[in-house]
Amino acid sequence: EDKVVQSPLSLVVHEGDTVTLNCSYEVTNFRSLLWYKQEKKAPTFLFMLTSSGIEKKSGRLSSILDKKELFSILNITATQTGDSAIYLCAVVTFSGGYNKLIFGAGTRLAVHP
Amino acid sequence: SQTIHQWPATLVQPVGSPLSLECTVEGTSNPNLYWYRQAAGRGLQLLFYSVGIGQISSEVPQNLSASRPQDRQFILSSKKLLLSDSGFYLCAWSDIGGPTAYEQYFGPGTRLTVT
Repeated sequence: EDKVVQSPLSLVVHEGDTVTLNCSYEVTNFRSLLWYKQEKKAPTFLFMLTSSGIEKKSGRLSSILDKKELFSILNITATQTGDSAIYLCAVVTFSGGYNKLIFGAGTRLAVHP
Repeated sequence: SQTIHQWPATLVQPVGSPLSLECTVEGTSNPNLYWYRQAAGRGLQLLFYSVGIGQISSEVPQNLSASRPQDRQFILSSKKLLLSDSGFYLCAWSDIGGPTAYEQYFGPGTRLTVT
């Protein structure tokens, strides 16, 4: 059975700290890995990673994929209170004739001032 | 630019009552459309997906159904709600092909409480 596991499930840090969120997966027909940030409502898209070893960066956020070891990490440097959210990892698999997203349970990040 | 709408934003319904949630997408044509449910403290579970008008596939057996009467309209329904149907329902869209086909974009969601 395809699965995506995120760790830690929750994390509490102070502003200015650097955090690393983990996502490991076991799926058939891997296509891509996506990271989303979910605050109060809809998840918002952060990154899509398809190739190993190529870092994606957006401001203080960066992410990398290791297709050999089947995991990805999301780094956030110099955290701010606005980074408080649930971070979701999703793996795209090709199944039943379409691209399907399998989500992890998420990491709940709380950044305190 | 593309936008996705869902309504209502919140809903409280008694057990056994019917349900209709609506999702519409603007600014794109022929999108793939998806319904997800997010239970408290859990990841998103795919319920239905659609690659075109009238084409619906179900991922999990349940008392919910979906319909796509127009290209950019996706509806989630139930004839009789169960307590276990409570949750946060999210609609999403993606391009059919091309480099962005893997990226799914989510609507604001509907929080359903069945009492």
